[in-house]
Amino acid sequence: AQSVSQHNHHVILSEAASLELGCNYSYGGTVNLFWYVQYPGQHLQLLLKYFSGDPLVKGIKGFEAEFIKSKFSFNLRKPSVQWSDTAEYFCAVKNGNNRLAFGKGNQVVVIP
Amino acid sequence: GAVVSQHPSRVICKSGTSVKIECRSLDFQATTMFWYRQFPKQSLMLMATSNEGSKATYEQGVEKDKFLINHASLTLSTLTVTSAHPEDSSFYICSARLAGTAYEQYFGPGTRLTVT
Repeated sequence: AQSVSQHNHHVILSEAASLELGCNYSYGGTVNLFWYVQYPGQHLQLLLKYFSGDPLVKGIKGFEAEFIKSKFSFNLRKPSVQWSDTAEYFCAVKNGNNRLAFGKGNQVVVIP
Repeated sequence: GAVVSQHPSRVICKSGTSVKIECRSLDFQATTMFWYRQFPKQSLMLMATSNEGSKATYEQGVEKDKFLINHASLTLSTLTVTSAHPEDSSFYICSARLAGTAYEQYFGPGTRLTVT
């Protein structure tokens, strides 16, 4: 079965700092990759997705992610975070069965 | 667009009773809906895939007789937790896949179930 790993469950940083969240998956076939965000008290929302093409994907709110096939990774980045980026971030992988497998999430707290 | 609602948002029930949770796609048709369970500080675990007009497909380890899923229309799927026990207390989230696409899933706000 495929799995998705996210490290550093709790991340605390100051406004304007750069953010990088790691995501590694274990699946050798064709995958579609996603990052979802869950703001406090809200439902999951799609930040960005990768299906094919340019491995550097731009998402909403200044986020981007890079797919590195050789490393089975899809890390999320934002150069300068804001207090409003405080949320939980989930990496997810969709395999050929059209099911999403989620990582455990990263709780990100941005201090003003 | 692409809004998914869940009802109720919170429910408390006694052990042994059954609870029904509804998942609706408000402004689109969803041939497929998914039910997830989320434990505190854990990931979302897929419980089952619900296909309109056919039986749900359950993930390994999920009791189909305990978690009854019905997907009677293109906009509604229900999850019924039967004979609930305290260990069933959890956060249940549904998502709906836009008909005609293989990728786009939209998530509901979740239902907090507490079994006393």
